[in-house]
Amino acid sequence: AQSVTQLGSHVSVSEGALVLLRCNYSSSVPPYLFWYVQYPNQGLQLLLKYTSAATLVKGINGFEAEFKKSETSFHLTKPSAHMSDAAEYFCAVKPGGYNKLIFGAGTRLAVHP
Amino acid sequence: DTGVSQNPRHKITKRGQNVTFRCDPISEHNRLYWYRQTLGQGPEFLTYFQNEAQLEKSRLLSDRFSAERPKGSFSTLEIQRTEQGDSAMYLCASSKETGSLSELFFGSGTQLSVL
Repeated sequence: AQSVTQLGSHVSVSEGALVLLRCNYSSSVPPYLFWYVQYPNQGLQLLLKYTSAATLVKGINGFEAEFKKSETSFHLTKPSAHMSDAAEYFCAVKPGGYNKLIFGAGTRLAVHP
Repeated sequence: DTGVSQNPRHKITKRGQNVTFRCDPISEHNRLYWYRQTLGQGPEFLTYFQNEAQLEKSRLLSDRFSAERPKGSFSTLEIQRTEQGDSAMYLCASSKETGSLSELFFGSGTQLSVL
């Protein structure tokens, strides 16, 4: 079965510090991988997606993620956190041949001054 | 293009009542999805349509739940005889049929509270 595990339901960083949100997937076939962000009272917005064209994927708002097949990981990073990055982040997998996304439980990112 | 629109934003109902939610997708999108999200969890897939055809339903979608997309445009999700466990955020998303990498665009959701 396809699944996504996000390590750490809450992450807190200082403004300007590195952001690292962890995501591991389980898939029997090469998956498509996504990171979404959800701000309070809003829908989910796509940050970036893995298309198999490049292992390092750059997204919006300075975020990027690296696909590591050997580790079955797709961790999200940002070199320098901004207060506006505070939100909930979801990793999702779309197994090959399927038309639906399977989401992880989410990681709530807090950024403090 | 105003994005995916969901109505109402909030719904409070008593246990046993029926509720219906509406989703208006982005106009040129032929795929429409319903997800449910509970506090502290990621969205869980419920069902999806391609045009007016409902192509997949999750086992989470009990007999009390029904979704329709009669003309391949807007969709409704009805819950009959609501239970307290139905309290959740119901999210709608739409996408174009352009292959497996087509992006899902989400609405802001309908928050259901069953008292």
